[in-house]
Amino acid sequence: AQKVTQAQTEISVVEKEDVTLDCVYETRDTTYYLFWYKQPPSGELVFLIRRNSFDEQNEISGRYSWNFQKSTSSFNFTITASQVVDSAVYFCALSVRSGANSKLTFGKGITLSVRP
Amino acid sequence: NAGVMQNPRHLVRRRGQEARLRCSPMKGHSHVYWYRQLPEEGLKFMVYLQKENIIDESGMPKERFSAEFPKEGPSILRIQQVVRGDSAAYFCASSPDENQPQHFGDGTRLSIL
Repeated sequence: AQKVTQAQTEISVVEKEDVTLDCVYETRDTTYYLFWYKQPPSGELVFLIRRNSFDEQNEISGRYSWNFQKSTSSFNFTITASQVVDSAVYFCALSVRSGANSKLTFGKGITLSVRP
Repeated sequence: NAGVMQNPRHLVRRRGQEARLRCSPMKGHSHVYWYRQLPEEGLKFMVYLQKENIIDESGMPKERFSAEFPKEGPSILRIQQVVRGDSAAYFCASSPDENQPQHFGDGTRLSIL
């Protein structure tokens, strides 16, 4: 069975601060994908990133960066110089490739509030 | 380049009625997934379908819930005899194949009176 833990439930920062959202996962599969999704107050789910288990390179996209460490089963997400528009619920998710099973297992989400 | 389309956006039903939620995947996507988001919780997988086939329904409640993805038309998630506990946001996602990221619709917010 797969499990995703987002231990932080709510984070509040002031605009321009850096913030890191933690994600720890559990799986026995050696081939898997990790994801981050953003859910703004309007409610839709926005895909941010997918990494596969064989690629531990960190990734940077503008103010967003992701740190994937298999040794600690973590896939943390950092927002640099946060902005009010970053306020949202952020979900980490995991899928494994086992036959045709590609469903996503989500964490409970982290509510990020960025104050002006 | 329309995204995943879900309708209705909001649906209100009384206890005992039926709810039908529709999902049109992105063009070229033949894999559809349904997830449910209960208040204050993350999303939980319900069912995974390809055209005319249910691939994985391990997350579907055993009773009252069913899903289909016909050869023509949208995927339908059907909830019979709704109860208050069915109140949730239901999200549909699609992908071109099992190896590609899933893209989500805006969800249907189901409220049971």
